[in-house]
Parts: sequence; structure tokens; C-alpha cells
Amino acid sequence: NAGVMQNPRHLVRRRGQEARLRCSPMKGHSHVYWYRQLPEEGLKFMVYLQKENIIDESGMPKERFSAEFPKEGPSILRIQQVVRGDSAAYFCASSRTGLARQETQYFGPGTRLLVL
Amino acid sequence: AQRVTQPEKLLSVFKGAPVELKCNYSYSGSPELFWYVQYSRQRLQLLLRHISRESIKGFTADLNKGETSFHLKKPFAQEEDSAMYYCALSGWSGGSNYKLTFGKGTLLTVNP
Repeated sequence: NAGVMQNPRHLVRRRGQEARLRCSPMKGHSHVYWYRQLPEEGLKFMVYLQKENIIDESGMPKERFSAEFPKEGPSILRIQQVVRGDSAAYFCASSRTGLARQETQYFGPGTRLLVL
Repeated sequence: AQRVTQPEKLLSVFKGAPVELKCNYSYSGSPELFWYVQYSRQRLQLLLRHISRESIKGFTADLNKGETSFHLKKPFAQEEDSAMYYCALSGWSGGSNYKLTFGKGTLLTVNP
């Protein structure tokens, strides 16, 4: 099992461009979580998705950010019109079920986004 | 609101010395606490969780609800323990038990 895969590992964008971050969960996992880590900070929850459903997006900025997890293919975190403050490491995690008390969230290697 | 505090950004010890990484939390309900570790050039991985009450790689952590702490301890540090350690909490209330709240992390360096 290759674990949670994220690509690209590094992404450089200029202000105003779009950033697309991809996450493929572990085999057999249908629950995906996105976290953001700003410099010198801990990881912060952004959104929780199951296949074709957004369960909780309470940690997502209200504008420019969106996430999806289609029936086929990876989960996508999309940031439109990026600004310098979006520069961060974005981590994806997956679990078999959505119950943290019983399940472990397995993390991907992260995507480092740099906005110039 | 959930909050996790790791007061030490950096911790340096010598090989064979005891090590304690501090973690304090704030949560009004029944929390579950975790320690995650990130070795150099590797991904974040779960080290242990309080509900399992197990020892992993010689590390233990006890949930102290009175002091709202979940400190990570190891009696004899090894060089391979050098890594970034994150304390995390998930709250069991309102159904949002999947949402992990992380501290800022402590970088542990074990010197030879």
C-alpha cells in the first residue's frame, strides 16, 4: 500500500493564478481531510470529504477555496486567485471511516505552495 | 473551542537522557489525544493515542484530565528519536470527532 499520495509536492504560483492540489487516499479509504500548515504554526483543519460529498468545510476560507472528492479520481483542493498569504504546506489525510476515536488518519507528504 | 499548546518549540537532550515533551489542551468535552511524529524527510505519522494506552518506541503518554495535559515521555532518548513531534486533539461532541486540532510542534534533537 503506497499510502496517501499528494501531488505536486511543490507548487509555485504567481499572485492571481490558480492552484490545484491533488490527494489520492489510501486504498480502501473513502474519507479525506485537508489541513493547512502556515509557517511556524500547527496543522489546521480545512475540510472533510467523503466520495462526492463535502461533510464539513468549516475550516475553509469563505472565498477562493474549494474542495471536491469525485466518484472517480483524487480529491482536489482548489485555490483561485492565490495571494501571498496562501503560501503554506497543505496536507491531506485519509481514513477508512470518519470516526477518529476508532480510526487513524493517515497523512500524505504534503504540498508546499509558494505564492510569489 | 479546542486548543492544543506545546510550550517548547525546541528541545535538545543527550542520548540516554530522559525526555519529556509537554502538551496541554483546552476542551470542554471528552477529548481524545494523540501524538504524531514527523522524522526528517518523512510524512507525519501517528506515534500513539491515549485511548490505546500503549508504548510505542519506548514512548508513553498519560492523559491527565485534572491538569489538562498529555505529556510525551521516554526514559532514555535515542538519536533516532530526533524529529518534530505534534500533539493533537479530537473532540467527541456534536459528531465532529474527526477534526484534529494540532499544536505547533516541538523539534526534538537528541545529541550523541
